[in-house]
Amino acid sequence: SQQGEEDPQALSIQEGENATMNCSYKTSINNLQWYRQNSGRGLVHLILIRSNEREKHSGRLRVTLDTSKKSSSLLITASRAADTASYFCARGSGTSGSRLTFGEGTQLTVNP
Amino acid sequence: NAGVTQTPKFQVLKTGQSMTLQCAQDMNHNSMYWYRQDPGMGLRLIYYSASEGTTDKGEVPNGYNVSRLNKREFSLRLESAAPSQTSVYFCASSLAGNNSPLHFGNGTRLTVT
Repeated sequence: SQQGEEDPQALSIQEGENATMNCSYKTSINNLQWYRQNSGRGLVHLILIRSNEREKHSGRLRVTLDTSKKSSSLLITASRAADTASYFCARGSGTSGSRLTFGEGTQLTVNP
Repeated sequence: NAGVTQTPKFQVLKTGQSMTLQCAQDMNHNSMYWYRQDPGMGLRLIYYSASEGTTDKGEVPNGYNVSRLNKREFSLRLESAAPSQTSVYFCASSLAGNNSPLHFGNGTRLTVT
């Protein structure tokens, strides 16, 4: 079963608005990663946040992690039409080299 | 620098046929992975190889075999394809397991009739 669950499943906003996607998980993690997937393409890594970190920024992306609530959120500020894609969270756990478990993704549509 | 290269991009098989999906990375990564992606199911790990010479089962290994041919190449074999294996297959690699980002190929779209 999937260990990362994302909310909402789909999100439609206007260009310039902010987009927030949430990810919950059930067991302990080493890190949590966010990926983007454009239609028909492979996933592209966006940001990795370790279990001892609470917030991380990369350009227009802001990721938070609350290990007490077992949840993370991805905020995209000032969205653009080019941000239209599916966004996945992935939980890293166990020893290095073991599995990275993905959620089912959030489909983001940014309307021009 | 091509990253992760998967071949073929598309394939149609009949039930019972076999095939091998190829994957190669040129980033000198230690770990490699095979995932399948189905609508509404996200990505599920089939097999992974933490380092050259080792392979381990993931979440959905039944019906598949893998070979870590060398550090660069990690192949996935379907010995007797079934319609339930219709999916998009992604190969990925990472420098140091799940503590570092995964780099994905563009996928192989497989249809089994």
